[in-house]
Amino acid sequence: GDSVTQMEGPVTLSEEAFLTINCTYTATGYPSLFWYVQYPGEGLQLLLKATKADDKGSNKGFEATYRKETTSFHLEKGSVQVSDSAVYFCALYTIQGAQKLVFGQGTRLTINP
Amino acid sequence: DGGITQSPKYLFRKEGQNVTLSCEQNLNHDAMYWYRQDPGQGLRLIYYSQIVNDFQKGDIAEGYSVSREKKESFPLTVTSAQKNPTAFYLCASSIGGRELNTEAFFGQGTRLTVV
Repeated sequence: GDSVTQMEGPVTLSEEAFLTINCTYTATGYPSLFWYVQYPGEGLQLLLKATKADDKGSNKGFEATYRKETTSFHLEKGSVQVSDSAVYFCALYTIQGAQKLVFGQGTRLTINP
Repeated sequence: DGGITQSPKYLFRKEGQNVTLSCEQNLNHDAMYWYRQDPGQGLRLIYYSQIVNDFQKGDIAEGYSVSREKKESFPLTVTSAQKNPTAFYLCASSIGGRELNTEAFFGQGTRLTVV
């Protein structure tokens, strides 16, 4: 079945460091890919998305590129801030198969000043 | 403002009782989802519905039940058969169907505690 695998957390970085959170997927057909962010005690918010191969999603300095050949959608940011501390989820949706949103296990990110 | 609303934010239940969590959306979305999140864990899908009067089991449906009698509402009942119900419950909605650009909108969550 469809699945998403994220890099194990937690991840701890210093302010202004470069961030990469890896995400790979297995899916029927060609899914849409998403990154969501969750702040403490809240629901999830969409961070960025890509709906076809080679698309790049970007928002708030974060970027991710849909790589069909490696089935990946890694999240990157050039210079993180303390306010970026949160849990990040990679997700997919495919119109083939079950037509449901599938999430990775989440990666907790902590940024120290 | 359009959005998705979960209530209550905090809920306490005695062992052996059923309890119902509310989820309402006014986004005119066809698809709705219930997820469970445990401390330090990812999201696990309980039930989902792509259209009114239809729903499917997710990965951890045992001990839970849902209904989808109206497009805007997707309540979740946690029954006494659920052995470990204490968790954070998240409801989401999306356009769904064959629309690929189907980002999900989430409620603020309900934290259920069994006492």
